[in-house]
Formats: sequence, structure tokens, C-alpha cells
Amino acid sequence: QVQLVQSGSELKKPGASVKVSCKASGYTFTSYAMNWVRQAPGQGLEWMGWINTNTGNPTYAQGFTGRFVFSLDTSVSTAYLQISSLKAEDTAVYYCARVAITIFGEPNYYYGMDVWGQGTTVTVSS
Amino acid sequence: QSVLTQPPSASGTPGQRVTISCSGSSSNIGSNTVNWYQQLPGTAPKLLIYSNNQRPSGVPDRFSGSKSGTSASLAISGLQSEDEADYYCAAWDDSLNVLFGGGTKLTVL
Repeated sequence: QVQLVQSGSELKKPGASVKVSCKASGYTFTSYAMNWVRQAPGQGLEWMGWINTNTGNPTYAQGFTGRFVFSLDTSVSTAYLQISSLKAEDTAVYYCARVAITIFGEPNYYYGMDVWGQGTTVTVSS
Repeated sequence: QSVLTQPPSASGTPGQRVTISCSGSSSNIGSNTVNWYQQLPGTAPKLLIYSNNQRPSGVPDRFSGSKSGTSASLAISGLQSEDEADYYCAAWDDSLNVLFGGGTKLTVL
């Protein structure tokens, strides 16, 4: 079945880095773009951006530039989110979610983000 | 503060019909389609409605969506206890971002 399986919870100290993985199965990885969404404790959903799974080109939402990096390993159908110089306010659950693409490779949100990973909890604490 | 505005809470009794609103602007809901996501407690969000009023396979027809101008609504008829969840609207914005509403916590009384 189609699924996205994310890596396990992480506990990090301020200033450290973390890399979250999102492994896709049950579909052709490069036929969909991958989004990342953050949910801080007790808060709503916040879109972080997306990555083109054909070119590896990332697009970051405002507020997620600099310390946040999206990457891929298409050989294992896996997307990654790396966050550097972690701060306490990065404590959140991070989700990956796929979205259909247009013939130009751009995300097509007409169909919504139809498959989500189970989420990865990142806790930043000294 | 979210650009898409939802009421923070809604409630209803089993069997009732409830609606959740989502208000945006001409640059998002007014010119793009709206999707709705359901997040059951402790779980990942799930796509509930796409393209304003389309249900993915497996979503009961008790759930319906509509859009008019710069606002959208999610309606749940025949409310059930398992519908107790957080609901989020989302839309593409002309600023090249996906915007989520702040979320509505639905309580089944």
C-alpha cells in the first residue's frame, strides 16, 4: 500500500542538528512532490515548503530559509529534512506529505496532500 | 496568526449537522481550490476534502465541502463520536505558499 514512513523521535540539545527521513513505498517516488509540514506543541499546521523529487530542487516557505534543508535519495525513495543550529522553538512534530505534480513538475494542490507520514517528534532541550 | 480564519472550536451532538467555516482572501481561497484535513487525536492529518468539494476514496459522504468567493465551509452530517478531531482548511496562495487555517477543534457532546 501507499505509505510514507518517517524516522523516530529525536531529542537534541540547542545548537545541534537533526535529520528526519521520510521513506516512500507503494508508488513511484518521482511522480509526486514532497512537502514538509510543522506542528508545534498544541498548535496548528504550518507549511514549510516542498521539494521536486525529479530535480531535487527545494522551495522553502517564508520563515524556513537558512537552517532548514530539504534533500532526497531517490535510490531509496526517501526525502530528508535537516535542521541545523536547533533552537527550543524548533520543538515540534514534523510531517512529510506527498502532492501530485503538474506536467511541468510543479506541485498541484488541487488534489491536496493525499498521503502523510506518521510524523517525527523533534524535541530541543538542554 | 493564520491568514485563513477558522473558528477555534465547534460542537454538536450525535446525529446533528455541524459546519466549520474558513475565511480567506482573493489571493488564496478566492483564486484557488480549498482542501480540508482531519486530524484525530495523536495522529497525522488526513486528507478529507480536496478541490473544494471532492471526497477521496474511503471518506464517508457525511463529509461535504463548499466554496463561495473567499470563504469555504466543511459540513459534517449525522455527527458521530469518532468525528471528534481537529479540522484544518488549506489553500494555495498567490504568494506561492500553502496556507493552513488555524484549525477547529470539533467536540461531540
